[in-house]
Amino acid sequence: DAGVIQSPRHEVTEMGQEVTLRCKPISGHDYLFWYRQTMMRGLELLIYFNNNVPIDDSGMPEDRFSAKMPNASFSTLKIQPSEPRDSAVYFCASSSPALGGGNVLTFGAGSRLTVL
Amino acid sequence: AQKITQTQPGMFVQEKEAVTLDCTYDTSDPSYGLFWYKQPSSGEMIFLIYQGSYDQQNATEGRYSLNFQKARKSANLVISASQLGDSAMYFCAMREFSYDKVIFGPGTSLSVIP
Repeated sequence: DAGVIQSPRHEVTEMGQEVTLRCKPISGHDYLFWYRQTMMRGLELLIYFNNNVPIDDSGMPEDRFSAKMPNASFSTLKIQPSEPRDSAVYFCASSSPALGGGNVLTFGAGSRLTVL
Repeated sequence: AQKITQTQPGMFVQEKEAVTLDCTYDTSDPSYGLFWYKQPSSGEMIFLIYQGSYDQQNATEGRYSLNFQKARKSANLVISASQLGDSAMYFCAMREFSYDKVIFGPGTSLSVIP
């Protein structure tokens, strides 16, 4: 398995532009999580899905952020309009309780976003 | 409320020595799991070890062991025989199984000194 695949790996954009981050979870995993990592705030859970349905989006910072999971193999995190304070590494992770072991999260490599 | 605390922002350990990284947690869910992840300077998140709240024995994975004290709500990671490659950030995480939300602590930066 190729693991969790995120794109783009690096994104540099200007304030006010729309940013779309993409994630392909591991096939068969039915949970998908989006995290944001910054030096100041650490790893913050933004939103997570179970069977493509958003379960908890209380971590989404504001209305500028939205996430979708149209099918079991694809999710997007969109920021519109972007601001410099959105600069961070965004991680996607997936998991499956069927595999046992506590439903361990497998992380993607992350998308490093820089908003100028 | 679900919460993870790691009180050691930075730790140093001599190569080949053992080191303990602290983690305490708070939850009202009787069924939960505790995880440790390693994040080297390259940035990837690497799963190390898992402990379930009902597991009777402490988890071990190679040089990693988890010192689970349920009554104290602590899940410390013990790394034996430290290696230079162990230098990284270490995160403690918790999953409440009734809700499946997974949160992470602030992390501990470990530096292994030759």
